[in-house]
Amino acid sequence: NAGVMQNPRHLVRRRGQEARLRCSPMKGHSHVYWYRQLPEEGLKFMVYLQKENIIDESGMPKERFSAEFPKEGPSILRIQQVVRGDSAAYFCASSSPPFSGSTGELFFGEGSRLTVL
Amino acid sequence: GDSVTQMEGPVTLSEEAFLTINCTYTATGYPSLFWYVQYPGEGLQLLLKATKADDKGSNKGFEATYRKETTSFHLEKGSVQVSDSAVYFCALAPGGGADGLTFGKGTHLIIQP
Repeated sequence: NAGVMQNPRHLVRRRGQEARLRCSPMKGHSHVYWYRQLPEEGLKFMVYLQKENIIDESGMPKERFSAEFPKEGPSILRIQQVVRGDSAAYFCASSSPPFSGSTGELFFGEGSRLTVL
Repeated sequence: GDSVTQMEGPVTLSEEAFLTINCTYTATGYPSLFWYVQYPGEGLQLLLKATKADDKGSNKGFEATYRKETTSFHLEKGSVQVSDSAVYFCALAPGGGADGLTFGKGTHLIIQP
């Protein structure tokens, strides 16, 4: 049973280019979370999605960042016009049912490391 | 808002030493508390959790007790191994079943043979 799959593992972009990060949740999971880990910092929540629906995007920067989780296919985190400050590790996690601290567990992927030159 | 503070790293210990990684939190209500571990090149894995005051989570020789009076959830292990070298994250989930986790900055643990 495959775990959470993220790709690419490493992505290099020049300033102004677009970055697309993909996440396939664990089989049977329909809830996806994206986190960003900046150097020397912990993980920061970005967005929580269900299939075809954004539940909570309170952690997403207002500009250039977007996320989707279509009915078919992986969840995608898209960063337009990347800047050096976007360099970070982006982690996807999934759960089913929706993560609940009292009963659930988040399962994380290995992360996608974005480097902006 | 909710926050988690954990001790700065790196923490370097010799094999078989006693380990404590401090974690304190600020939250409204009654959060659940977690320790996640990230081995080199891998994603985070749940190590242990506690869902109410005085609960003790334990796994792989690690323990942490949910102390409401001191708002703490310190991670301990009696005898560490080289294979325990990793980054350890303390995290909380809000009470009431709300989604998402709030993480600390992580503590890099290095165990030397």
